[in-house]
Amino acid sequence: DGGITQSPKYLFRKEGQNVTLSCEQNLNHDAMYWYRQDPGQGLRLIYYSQIVNDFQKGDIAEGYSVSREKKESFPLTVTSAQKNPTAFYLCASSRPPTGGQETQYFGPGTRLLVL
Amino acid sequence: GENVEQHPSTLSVQEGDSAVIKCTYSDSASNYFPWYKQELGKRPQLIIDIRSNVGEKKDQRIAVTLNKTAKHFSLHITETQPEDSAVYFCAAPTGGGGYNKLIFGAGTRLAVHP
Repeated sequence: DGGITQSPKYLFRKEGQNVTLSCEQNLNHDAMYWYRQDPGQGLRLIYYSQIVNDFQKGDIAEGYSVSREKKESFPLTVTSAQKNPTAFYLCASSRPPTGGQETQYFGPGTRLLVL
Repeated sequence: GENVEQHPSTLSVQEGDSAVIKCTYSDSASNYFPWYKQELGKRPQLIIDIRSNVGEKKDQRIAVTLNKTAKHFSLHITETQPEDSAVYFCAAPTGGGGYNKLIFGAGTRLAVHP
């Protein structure tokens, strides 16, 4: 999982502002994922992408948007429509499935705080 | 869809004791069950996983058992050490074949006291 990077480590958002979180991987993985983690809770899936130029909503997609223009990059935008964005955001990636689910490897995360 | 429940939410043990964390899942088609360890402020890291064609898998002090009939799987840590203190998450896939979404349990906070 050392091949997945996220930036910035900390991000501050003002009211009404859109912010973009970066996720890059050099593992040649096809699939990439975005999760949100709130304090003391598990991980909830925001969006995922199985292939370039394609992505699907997860369980909590409202107020978020993504793009997948390159295999190695999967940026997440937190829009002003997301009213409670304070959380720890984790990006993950995995190889194509070969007879079953493949392991997801996580990036170091971005902590988003609202000013 | 899949629902994953994890117990207990907190677990406190003495160094050298064993720790067991249990997860139940609802989707009988699920075939892959990973366990992640997350230290404070860090990323979740895979510590062990099991596929549905086996009932148990071991890696040194860590083992995972799977009961497909009862739809539960458990993480066993033996000879616990203070560095085992962390939050542990189980997960199970949902959605059929291909790239399944992983549904995570709520986590177990393990504290190992010297």
